Amino acid sequence: KAGVTQTPRYLIKTRGQQVTLSCSPISGHRSVSWYQQTPGQGLQFLFEYFSETQRNKGNFPGRFSGRQFSNSRSEMNVSTLELGDSALYLCASSDDFEEQFFGPGTRLTVL
Amino acid sequence: GQSLEQPSEVTAVEGAIVQINCTYQTSGFYGLSWYQQHDGGAPTFLSYNALDGLEETGRFSSFLSRSDSYGYLLLQELQMKDSASYFCAVPDAGNMLTFGGGTRLMVKP
Repeated sequence: KAGVTQTPRYLIKTRGQQVTLSCSPISGHRSVSWYQQTPGQGLQFLFEYFSETQRNKGNFPGRFSGRQFSNSRSEMNVSTLELGDSALYLCASSDDFEEQFFGPGTRLTVL
Repeated sequence: GQSLEQPSEVTAVEGAIVQINCTYQTSGFYGLSWYQQHDGGAPTFLSYNALDGLEETGRFSSFLSRSDSYGYLLLQELQMKDSASYFCAVPDAGNMLTFGGGTRLMVKP
């Protein structure tokens, strides 16, 4: 099976702009989670989607949003970008509770 | 809420054994996971312990004590390629993972 794919891999934006990141899970996986990774805060959970419904949401402002499509592909959007949003955004898919499969991530730089 | 504590850095020599500890405080507990992440790479799943005891997978073993809210990852016969960051994590209902701060393992020749 193909692994989790994320596009784009690298992105440079300026403050105030918005960005959309995409994630294609492993075929058959219905759960897609998003994480933000920064040197200061580590790996933090953003949200999780299962069968097009958001099941869990982390402690992030409303500028961070996401959605999942009927084919399980997911997108996350960040509006009104701030310098502190610079991070590696990781998507993970799973078909059970125990193991999550991570994509390579999107490296977002906000200038 | 959930919080997990693990050492920030560990150094060991090739061929040695190293243990990375993780203590956790959780409002609900399902099990303890371990993930490995090389620099510039994605986290990859290593193990999951739902019950007390030791789980062995090749050179890696993971241990859990629910009564002590404690677990560890044991890496044997260390190789240079084991140099990476190791994260303990607890899953919540709905596939939400809360991660520890990560332990950077440096393996020296």
